[in-house]
Amino acid sequence: SQQGEEDPQALSIQEGENATMNCSYKTSINNLQWYRQNSGRGLVHLILIRSNEREKHSGRLRVTLDTSKKSSSLLITASRAADTASYFCATPPGGSYIPTFGRGTSLIVHP
Amino acid sequence: DGGITQSPKYLFRKEGQNVTLSCEQNLNHDAMYWYRQDPGQGLRLIYYSQIVNDFQKGDIAEGYSVSREKKESFPLTVTSAQKNPTAFYLCASSIKVSTDTQYFGPGTRLTVL
Repeated sequence: SQQGEEDPQALSIQEGENATMNCSYKTSINNLQWYRQNSGRGLVHLILIRSNEREKHSGRLRVTLDTSKKSSSLLITASRAADTASYFCATPPGGSYIPTFGRGTSLIVHP
Repeated sequence: DGGITQSPKYLFRKEGQNVTLSCEQNLNHDAMYWYRQDPGQGLRLIYYSQIVNDFQKGDIAEGYSVSREKKESFPLTVTSAQKNPTAFYLCASSIKVSTDTQYFGPGTRLTVL
């Protein structure tokens, strides 16, 4: 079974709005990563947050991690049409080094 | 120009045929991976390799085979035993298996006719 599950499955917003997507996971983790996938392309690594970190920023991206709730969120501020993509969280289940990926959140940003 | 490449981008196969997907990287990474992605689904691990001449089964290895004769190359063969091979196949690499970030190729879309 998958370690991480993203929510919502789909998100549709207007350009300039913020987009928030969430990831819940099942077992204890060392780190959690977020990836982006444009339609029909490979995944691109966005950001990694370690289990001892609570928040991390990269440009317009903000990631939070709550290990007590086994959840993470990805916030994209001031979204652009070019942010339209699927976003995946990935984290290794306990005892493994290899991350498992959720089903992703499909984000559509309307110009 | 460093990166990870996959070829071909699109591949069509008749039922009963084996087909090999190419994956090459010039990032000097030890670890390489193959994933399968079905529409609306996450990535599922087929095989991974920690080092040359070593590879391990992932969650859905049945009907697939791999080799790792060179550090740069990790080809995936989809055999006729794979019952539902139509999917998007992604190759990835990382410095080591224990390293956090994976770098992905552009993918190969395989369609069985």
